[in-house]
Amino acid sequence: GEDVEQSLFLSVREGDSSVINCTYTDSSSTYLYWYKQEPGAGLQLLTYIFSNMDMKQDQRLTVLLNKKDKHLSLRIADTQTGDSAIYFCAEKGNSGYALNFGKGTSLLVTP
Amino acid sequence: EAQVTQNPRYLITVTGKKLTVTCSQNMNHEYMSWYRQDPGLGLRQIYYSMNVEVTDKGDVPEGYKVSRKEKRNFPLILESPSPNQTSLYFCASSPGFSYEQYFGPGTRLTVT
Repeated sequence: GEDVEQSLFLSVREGDSSVINCTYTDSSSTYLYWYKQEPGAGLQLLTYIFSNMDMKQDQRLTVLLNKKDKHLSLRIADTQTGDSAIYFCAEKGNSGYALNFGKGTSLLVTP
Repeated sequence: EAQVTQNPRYLITVTGKKLTVTCSQNMNHEYMSWYRQDPGLGLRQIYYSMNVEVTDKGDVPEGYKVSRKEKRNFPLILESPSPNQTSLYFCASSPGFSYEQYFGPGTRLTVT
């Protein structure tokens, strides 16, 4: 599948903002997703954005999409220790059912 | 409760001994999929199914089989497991194209 790249680790202090970045190569991507995986658990959809949008806000989460640069980011405001998890960026192309996942970013929130 | 269930959750087996990991969803979803998750490689799709009796290969189908005889079930079959199939496996389902995928809790498989 097409490439989806993320940095592997991010460490922030409790109360700070976290920004997790993702780049993708498929210019036909129609939907872009952020999933969260807590230790020992499956993946949970956090939020998604359509490719014709450039921003989406949902409580503490803000997703920014720069379609020209194929860059997606997830900002978590007022990061809490419960936000410590692995965050996966994923994209879906214009055809087919498969999601292409990045390798995941491990977010560590320290007190 | 709407959910995707997988069994077993943990399995240790030996090379060559056939095994099946079951996946079931109670949401009447058309689409189901299997992924494997490996350190440093993220999630890779093994097989997917768009409806009953319709299955197709994902990115890493070698060594796996699937079947979709009923809408709710999508078992993953390893006819002759090998150590390189040691991984964490996730089943997912979705009501249709472009909809959110719901993931099962995962099955950790170790092949010795």
